[in-house]
Amino acid sequence: QKEVEQDPGPLSVPEGAIVSLNCTYSNSAFQYFMWYRQYSRKGPELLMYTYSSGNKEDGRFTAQVDKSSKYISLFIRDSQPSDSATYLCAMSAGGGSNYKLTFGKGTLLTVNP
Amino acid sequence: EAGVAQSPRYKIIEKRQSVAFWCNPISGHATLYWYQQILGQGPKLLIQFQNNGVVDDSQLPKDRFSAERLKGVDSTLKIQPAKLEDSAVYLCASSSRGLIGNTIYFGEGSWLTVV
Repeated sequence: QKEVEQDPGPLSVPEGAIVSLNCTYSNSAFQYFMWYRQYSRKGPELLMYTYSSGNKEDGRFTAQVDKSSKYISLFIRDSQPSDSATYLCAMSAGGGSNYKLTFGKGTLLTVNP
Repeated sequence: EAGVAQSPRYKIIEKRQSVAFWCNPISGHATLYWYQQILGQGPKLLIQFQNNGVVDDSQLPKDRFSAERLKGVDSTLKIQPAKLEDSAVYLCASSSRGLIGNTIYFGEGSWLTVV
C-alpha cells in the first residue's frame, strides 16, 4: 500500500461548481498536511497548509484533515477556469528541515466556462 | 523577489549519455531540494541540502545520480549514464528554514526525455 493515495482524475466541472479533492494515507506519523497547485509546465505552489486535524479556510479554499480516518480533503467553492490545474496533496511527519514531504499523484482538475 | 531558477528547461538525450541540471535558489534560502516528477505522479524527493550539507539523499540512485551544492548557493544535479526511466521533470526547490514555517518554493523544472 502506498503511503499516500490520491485519485488522479481527471475531474471536469462547470464554472461555479464546488470541487472536492481527497487523499488518504497510511502513515499515522503524518502530522503536517499540504495542498499544492501545479499549472501545466510549472512547478508546484503551496495553496494550503494544516497541522494535525481540523479545518482551515482561505478565501474559496477549505482544507480538512481527519486523522482518525487518515483522510484529507480540499474544497474549492465557486470554482473558476483559472483553478484548472493539477492539485497535489503532500504530508510530513515533522516540521523541521530534516523531514521530507511525501506527495500524492495529483488530481487533474478542469473547470469549464 | 526572484524565484528559483533552473536550466536547461528542456533536454533530450540518448540513453547512456550524461546530463546536468543547474539550480539557483531564492537568495538567502538555506535549504535546497531536488525532486523528480515522472509524468502522472507526484514529486519524489531525490536529495535535500541544508547549506552545503546533505540532509537526505536516501532516494537518490547513487550509482547514476550525483548532486552538489557549491558554497551553499547554486546546485547541480547530474545523471550519468541516463536510462529511459529517468525521463521526468527535475524540480529544484528552496526554503529559508526548512519544511514548515516557511514555504517551499519550486522552480519551473527541467524536462528530461531519454530516448
